[in-house]
Amino acid sequence: EVQLVESGGGLVQPGGSLRLSCAASGFTFSSYEMNWVRQAPGKGLEWVSYISSSGSTIYYADSVKGRFTISRDNAKNSLYLQMNSLRAEDTAVYYCARTITPGAFDIWGQGTMVTVSS
Amino acid sequence: QSALTQPPSASGSPGQSVTISCTGTSSDVGGYNYVSWYQQHPGKAPKLMIYEVSKRPSGVPDRFSGSKSGNTASLTVSGLQAEDEADYYCSSYAGTVVFGGGTKLTVL
Repeated sequence: EVQLVESGGGLVQPGGSLRLSCAASGFTFSSYEMNWVRQAPGKGLEWVSYISSSGSTIYYADSVKGRFTISRDNAKNSLYLQMNSLRAEDTAVYYCARTITPGAFDIWGQGTMVTVSS
Repeated sequence: QSALTQPPSASGSPGQSVTISCTGTSSDVGGYNYVSWYQQHPGKAPKLMIYEVSKRPSGVPDRFSGSKSGNTASLTVSGLQAEDEADYYCSSYAGTVVFGGGTKLTVL
Protein backbone atom coordinates (compact mmCIF):
# COMPACT_ATOMS: atom_id res chain seq x y z
CA GLU A 1 0.00 0.00 0.00
CA VAL A 2 1.28 3.43 -0.94
CA GLN A 3 1.50 5.40 2.29
CA LEU A 4 2.93 8.48 3.96
CA VAL A 5 3.01 8.72 7.76
CA GLU A 6 3.97 11.94 9.51
CA SER A 7 5.27 12.21 13.07
CA GLY A 8 6.96 14.72 15.35
CA GLY A 9 4.19 17.20 15.97
CA GLY A 10 3.34 18.56 19.39
CA LEU A 11 3.14 21.60 21.63
CA VAL A 12 6.07 24.03 21.51
CA GLN A 13 6.63 27.50 22.92
CA PRO A 14 7.03 30.53 20.65
CA GLY A 15 10.62 30.73 19.47
CA GLY A 16 11.10 27.01 19.88
CA SER A 17 11.97 24.28 17.40
CA LEU A 18 10.42 21.08 16.17
CA ARG A 19 11.41 18.46 13.58
CA LEU A 20 8.72 16.71 11.59
CA SER A 21 9.27 13.39 9.85
CA CYS A 22 7.38 11.68 7.05
CA ALA A 23 7.92 7.96 6.44
CA ALA A 24 7.12 6.71 2.95
CA SER A 25 6.26 3.15 1.98
CA GLY A 26 4.80 1.24 -0.95
CA PHE A 27 6.54 3.23 -3.68
CA THR A 28 10.03 4.20 -4.85
CA PHE A 29 10.48 7.25 -2.64
CA SER A 30 13.69 8.36 -4.33
CA SER A 31 11.87 8.86 -7.64
CA TYR A 32 9.39 11.43 -6.37
CA GLU A 33 9.41 15.11 -5.53
CA MET A 34 7.89 15.83 -2.14
CA ASN A 35 6.20 18.69 -0.32
CA TRP A 36 4.98 19.91 3.04
CA VAL A 37 1.53 21.52 3.15
CA ARG A 38 -0.11 22.92 6.27
CA GLN A 39 -3.60 23.80 7.40
CA ALA A 40 -4.27 26.10 10.32
CA PRO A 41 -7.33 25.22 12.44
CA GLY A 42 -10.48 26.04 10.50
CA LYS A 43 -8.48 27.49 7.62
CA GLY A 44 -7.47 26.51 4.11
CA LEU A 45 -4.44 24.72 2.73
CA GLU A 46 -1.08 26.47 2.51
CA TRP A 47 1.88 25.09 0.60
CA VAL A 48 5.02 25.24 2.76
CA SER A 49 7.99 23.67 1.00
CA TYR A 50 9.14 21.51 -1.93
CA ILE A 51 12.14 19.25 -2.44
CA SER A 52 13.19 17.51 -5.64
CA SER A 53 13.72 13.78 -5.82
CA SER A 54 17.47 14.10 -5.34
CA GLY A 55 17.21 16.90 -2.80
CA SER A 56 19.14 19.29 -5.01
CA THR A 57 16.29 21.74 -5.56
CA ILE A 58 14.34 23.25 -2.68
CA TYR A 59 11.68 25.95 -2.44
CA TYR A 60 9.91 27.59 0.51
CA ALA A 61 6.86 29.74 1.02
CA ASP A 62 7.77 33.30 1.98
CA SER A 63 6.03 32.78 5.34
CA VAL A 64 8.60 30.17 6.44
CA LYS A 65 11.71 31.11 4.47
CA GLY A 66 14.75 31.39 6.72
CA ARG A 67 13.06 29.50 9.57
CA PHE A 68 12.13 26.10 8.11
CA THR A 69 14.42 23.59 6.40
CA ILE A 70 13.20 20.70 4.27
CA SER A 71 15.38 17.64 3.72
CA ARG A 72 15.12 14.00 2.74
CA ASP A 73 16.98 10.72 3.23
CA ASN A 74 16.24 8.48 0.27
CA ALA A 75 18.04 5.57 1.90
CA LYS A 76 15.57 5.77 4.79
CA ASN A 77 12.53 6.65 2.63
CA SER A 78 12.00 9.69 4.79
CA LEU A 79 11.18 13.37 4.42
CA TYR A 80 11.85 15.95 7.13
CA LEU A 81 10.90 19.49 8.07
CA GLN A 82 13.06 21.29 10.62
CA MET A 83 11.09 24.18 12.05
CA ASN A 84 12.91 26.89 14.02
CA SER A 85 11.84 30.22 15.51
CA LEU A 86 8.26 29.00 15.64
CA ARG A 87 5.43 31.51 15.88
CA ALA A 88 1.80 31.24 16.92
CA GLU A 89 0.80 31.54 13.26
CA ASP A 90 2.69 28.33 12.48
CA THR A 91 0.05 26.40 14.44
CA ALA A 92 -1.43 23.94 11.96
CA VAL A 93 -1.77 20.37 10.82
CA TYR A 94 1.28 19.61 8.70
CA TYR A 95 0.91 17.17 5.81
CA CYS A 96 3.59 15.63 3.65
CA ALA A 97 2.48 15.06 0.07
CA ARG A 98 3.86 13.38 -3.04
CA THR A 99 4.06 15.23 -6.35
CA ILE A 100 2.90 13.51 -9.53
CA THR A 101 3.03 16.52 -11.87
CA PRO A 102 3.91 20.15 -11.06
CA GLY A 103 1.57 21.32 -8.32
CA ALA A 104 -0.41 18.07 -8.12
CA PHE A 105 -0.16 16.04 -4.92
CA ASP A 106 -1.58 12.54 -5.25
CA ILE A 107 -0.61 10.93 -1.94
CA TRP A 108 -1.00 12.69 1.42
CA GLY A 109 -0.15 11.61 4.92
CA GLN A 110 -2.68 11.77 7.75
CA GLY A 111 -1.09 14.93 9.10
CA THR A 112 0.64 15.86 12.35
CA MET A 113 -0.54 18.72 14.56
CA VAL A 114 1.87 21.46 15.56
CA THR A 115 0.73 23.89 18.26
CA VAL A 116 2.82 26.94 19.08
CA SER A 117 1.71 28.43 22.37
CA SER A 118 3.06 29.54 25.70
CA GLN B 1 2.06 34.58 -4.27
CA SER B 2 -1.53 35.53 -3.44
CA ALA B 3 -4.10 32.82 -2.83
CA LEU B 4 -6.41 31.87 -5.67
CA THR B 5 -10.00 33.10 -5.32
CA GLN B 6 -12.80 30.61 -4.73
CA PRO B 7 -16.38 31.21 -3.60
CA PRO B 8 -16.69 30.32 0.08
CA SER B 9 -19.73 28.16 -0.50
CA ALA B 10 -21.70 26.28 -3.15
CA SER B 11 -24.69 24.00 -3.00
CA GLY B 12 -26.93 21.76 -5.02
CA SER B 13 -29.53 19.05 -4.65
CA PRO B 14 -28.82 15.36 -5.22
CA GLY B 15 -28.57 14.60 -8.91
CA GLN B 16 -27.91 18.21 -9.89
CA SER B 17 -24.66 19.69 -11.18
CA VAL B 18 -22.61 22.36 -9.44
CA THR B 19 -19.58 24.30 -10.66
CA ILE B 20 -16.92 25.84 -8.43
CA SER B 21 -14.68 28.56 -9.84
CA CYS B 22 -11.05 29.31 -9.08
CA THR B 23 -9.65 32.64 -10.24
CA GLY B 24 -6.00 33.49 -10.40
CA THR B 25 -3.76 35.53 -12.64
CA SER B 26 -1.68 35.10 -15.77
CA SER B 27 1.22 34.18 -13.46
CA ASP B 28 -0.48 31.08 -12.10
CA VAL B 29 -3.80 29.68 -13.41
CA GLY B 30 -3.59 31.46 -16.75
CA GLY B 31 0.08 30.75 -17.28
CA TYR B 32 0.22 26.99 -16.75
CA ASN B 33 -1.95 23.97 -17.45
CA TYR B 34 -1.18 22.75 -13.95
CA VAL B 35 -4.40 23.37 -12.05
CA SER B 36 -5.44 20.76 -9.49
CA TRP B 37 -8.54 20.22 -7.36
CA TYR B 38 -8.73 18.54 -3.96
CA GLN B 39 -11.63 17.24 -1.91
CA GLN B 40 -11.36 17.31 1.87
CA HIS B 41 -13.83 15.79 4.31
CA PRO B 42 -13.76 17.00 7.93
CA GLY B 43 -10.79 15.67 9.84
CA LYS B 44 -9.35 13.95 6.78
CA ALA B 45 -6.41 14.61 4.50
CA PRO B 46 -7.10 16.21 1.12
CA LYS B 47 -7.72 13.91 -1.84
CA LEU B 48 -6.63 14.74 -5.38
CA MET B 49 -9.65 14.86 -7.68
CA ILE B 50 -8.35 16.66 -10.79
CA TYR B 51 -4.84 17.48 -12.02
CA GLU B 52 -3.45 19.23 -15.09
CA VAL B 53 -6.76 21.12 -15.42
CA SER B 54 -8.92 18.19 -16.49
CA LYS B 55 -7.26 14.84 -15.78
CA ARG B 56 -8.77 12.47 -13.22
CA PRO B 57 -6.62 10.15 -11.11
CA SER B 58 -7.55 6.51 -11.13
CA GLY B 59 -10.57 5.86 -8.93
CA VAL B 60 -12.09 9.34 -9.13
CA PRO B 61 -15.63 9.16 -10.56
CA ASP B 62 -16.18 10.74 -13.97
CA ARG B 63 -18.86 12.89 -12.32
CA PHE B 64 -15.94 15.17 -11.48
CA SER B 65 -14.55 17.26 -14.34
CA GLY B 66 -12.25 20.24 -14.67
CA SER B 67 -11.75 23.01 -17.18
CA LYS B 68 -9.99 26.34 -17.59
CA SER B 69 -10.58 29.56 -19.48
CA GLY B 70 -8.03 32.32 -19.20
CA ASN B 71 -7.22 32.97 -15.55
CA THR B 72 -10.21 31.01 -14.20
CA ALA B 73 -10.41 27.28 -13.64
CA SER B 74 -13.59 25.39 -12.80
CA LEU B 75 -14.55 22.12 -11.14
CA THR B 76 -17.92 20.65 -12.08
CA VAL B 77 -19.55 17.93 -10.05
CA SER B 78 -22.39 16.26 -11.94
CA GLY B 79 -25.04 13.99 -10.48
CA LEU B 80 -24.42 15.28 -6.96
CA GLN B 81 -24.34 12.67 -4.24
CA ALA B 82 -24.46 13.05 -0.47
CA GLU B 83 -20.83 11.95 -0.14
CA ASP B 84 -19.72 14.85 -2.36
CA GLU B 85 -20.41 17.23 0.53
CA ALA B 86 -16.93 18.44 1.48
CA ASP B 87 -14.48 21.30 1.16
CA TYR B 88 -12.89 21.72 -2.25
CA TYR B 89 -9.58 23.46 -2.91
CA CYS B 90 -8.00 24.44 -6.18
CA SER B 91 -4.28 24.89 -6.62
CA SER B 92 -2.00 26.07 -9.36
CA TYR B 93 1.64 25.62 -10.14
CA ALA B 94 3.37 28.99 -10.44
CA GLY B 95 7.00 28.13 -9.91
CA THR B 96 5.86 27.19 -6.45
CA VAL B 97 2.30 26.17 -5.55
CA VAL B 98 -0.59 28.39 -4.58
CA PHE B 99 -3.92 27.19 -3.19
CA GLY B 100 -7.36 28.72 -3.28
CA GLY B 101 -9.16 29.60 -0.08
CA GLY B 102 -11.54 26.66 -0.38
CA THR B 103 -15.22 26.17 -1.15
CA LYS B 104 -17.63 24.35 1.14
CA LEU B 105 -19.96 22.27 -1.02
CA THR B 106 -23.31 21.45 0.58
CA VAL B 107 -25.61 18.81 -0.84
CA LEU B 108 -29.11 19.97 0.04
